Amino acid sequence: SQQGEEDPQALSIQEGENATMNCSYKTSINNLQWYRQNSGRGLVHLILIRSNEREKHSGRLRVTLDTSKKSSSLLITASRAADTASYFCATDEGAQKLVFGQGTRLTINP
Amino acid sequence: SQTIHQWPATLVQPVGSPLSLECTVEGTSNPNLYWYRQAAGRGLQLLFYSVGIGQISSEVPQNLSASRPQDRQFILSSKKLLLSDSGFYLCAWTRTSVGEQFFGPGTRLTVL
Repeated sequence: SQQGEEDPQALSIQEGENATMNCSYKTSINNLQWYRQNSGRGLVHLILIRSNEREKHSGRLRVTLDTSKKSSSLLITASRAADTASYFCATDEGAQKLVFGQGTRLTINP
Repeated sequence: SQTIHQWPATLVQPVGSPLSLECTVEGTSNPNLYWYRQAAGRGLQLLFYSVGIGQISSEVPQNLSASRPQDRQFILSSKKLLLSDSGFYLCAWTRTSVGEQFFGPGTRLTVL
């Protein structure tokens, strides 16, 4: 089953601008995670936000979680060319596994 | 520190041939292990996961199988590959059931 769905599917912005990606999910969760994937590589964990948290920061990343709307957003501030990648949200679906969305492909133009 | 290895990095196989992809984790014990497949430009599809030696849970019925012969070794196999088995295969591990997952570098499989 597909739990998390990212929006938009693709995003292209200029270097220095902020990038916002959204994730919606369908069922109750314990936590929501965001991952980054550079082309042809494995995924790298960015941030985990628990269901009782509303906002979390890590460097230039800001994640929000609205459990009433079953949605989350990932904001990358002051984007850099190195931020070009695909970004995935993942939610827990019962015990022992995560369900990943289809991802947002982010392109940062110099 | 913990590391996760996958091999081979790339593989080109004919339809009907067997498959064996290996994943090993170093620096931790009793990890949860996962096999995912990713089609081009798409998200991850969970194929199998394992919470212990010999314990395999299958998520998608298909011609693939998984085994965990040792605590930190996870193997993905097929007796006869199909064209639709082409994709990017990722192995991952985690300490807790729904915590942060650590991914390997992946194997690019092309079935011709």
